[in-house]
Amino acid sequence: DAKTTQPNSMESNEEEPVHLPCNHSTISGTDYIHWYRQLPSQGPEYVIHGLTSNVNNRMASLAIAEDRKSSTLILHRATLRDAAVYYCILPHYSGAGSYQLTFGKGTKLSVIP
Amino acid sequence: GAVVSQHPSWVICKSGTSVKIECRSLDFQATTMFWYRQFPKQSLMLMATSNEGSKATYEQGVEKDKFLINHASLTLSTLTVTSAHPEDSSFYICSASPTGAVAPNEKLFFGSGTQLSVL
Repeated sequence: DAKTTQPNSMESNEEEPVHLPCNHSTISGTDYIHWYRQLPSQGPEYVIHGLTSNVNNRMASLAIAEDRKSSTLILHRATLRDAAVYYCILPHYSGAGSYQLTFGKGTKLSVIP
Repeated sequence: GAVVSQHPSWVICKSGTSVKIECRSLDFQATTMFWYRQFPKQSLMLMATSNEGSKATYEQGVEKDKFLINHASLTLSTLTVTSAHPEDSSFYICSASPTGAVAPNEKLFFGSGTQLSVL
């Protein structure tokens, strides 16, 4: 299974853009790149996912490198509510007949007022 | 978006007792649900995958007789921690897929978690 590497922590000023990087150098051609985030004392929530092309939704943008070995989650204007741990995940097929999410340590984003 | 409700949010129990945690998909049918455990300052660890109407598939190292999972309906899965001990104290989180998580581009919906404290 392809692994992901993320910085342990990042800081951002409020209302500034944030670029959260993720390396996945062993990604296969069919691996999707997913991002989830976990606010303190909450379950994770879905942020965005993509395969090859850049993706945008109301929460964030996902920029995927041309060789797909890295990606960047972009929060266009960080708010205090965006302070969370962000996980970059490549779902993998399991023996239970479904795709699973394996959570790494993620990046803890702190937003400074 | 799809909503997954987890109950209770927190529970305190005595050592040796059993605790049941419920996970409900409120506005969709979840053919597949996942149970995770998260210790303080650590990441989520998948415990088991449950498919409606069949036995759960447990991850290596997770005791199936201690962590009983029942997925008897398309909207409800339960995790029972039997004979709980202090080392079972953790944050338990469920997630659900409306489509069985059979494709890598599907997103999962998570409950808000249950903090279990065993005294």
